[in-house]
Amino acid sequence: GNSVTQMEGPVTLSEEAFLTINCTYTATGYPSLFWYVQYPGEGLQLLLKATKADDKGSNKGFEATYRKETTSFHLEKGSVQVSDSAVYFCALGPSGTYKYIFGTGTRLKVLA
Amino acid sequence: DSGVTQTPKHLITATGQRVTLRCSPRSGDLSVYWYQQSLDQGLQFLIHYYNGEERAKGNILERFSAQQFPDLHSELNLSSLELGDSALYFCASSARTSGKWETQYFGPGTRLLVL
Repeated sequence: GNSVTQMEGPVTLSEEAFLTINCTYTATGYPSLFWYVQYPGEGLQLLLKATKADDKGSNKGFEATYRKETTSFHLEKGSVQVSDSAVYFCALGPSGTYKYIFGTGTRLKVLA
Repeated sequence: DSGVTQTPKHLITATGQRVTLRCSPRSGDLSVYWYQQSLDQGLQFLIHYYNGEERAKGNILERFSAQQFPDLHSELNLSSLELGDSALYFCASSARTSGKWETQYFGPGTRLLVL
């Protein structure tokens, strides 16, 4: 069945460092891919998405490219800020079923 | 603000009790999803309703049930509560356009504490 594998955290970086959070997936069909972010004490918010192969989603300096050949959707940011400290979830949209599948989440802590 | 509302925000109850969590989706969204988020298990999909009909079930216990009403709001009922049911419960809604499921929008969650 469909699945999402996300790198384990926590990830601790200094401000202005480069961020990569790995996400790979297994899926039948051509699902959409998402990154959600959860700030402390809040619900999940959509960060970015891509709906087909080679699409690049971007928002707030974050980017991720839908790579069908490597079944990956890695999240990157060139220069992180303290305010980016949160938990990041990779998610697979439904494809032939009605179920979204979320990764386990990666906690990011950015130090000033 | 995602446009999804959940009540109550916090709930404290005792083992063996029953509670009802409520969710109102974004205006126009027909789909409602329920998730449980606990410290040790991440975000677990419970159940999905579309326009009043159950569409998918995840790791939902038999003690838990849900429904979606004609006005599209949804309720998650948790009964015979156990300590391990303490968690954050999120509701999300989405639209379905052109045969494809769109982004989910999450509510702020209900934090349930079972003592």
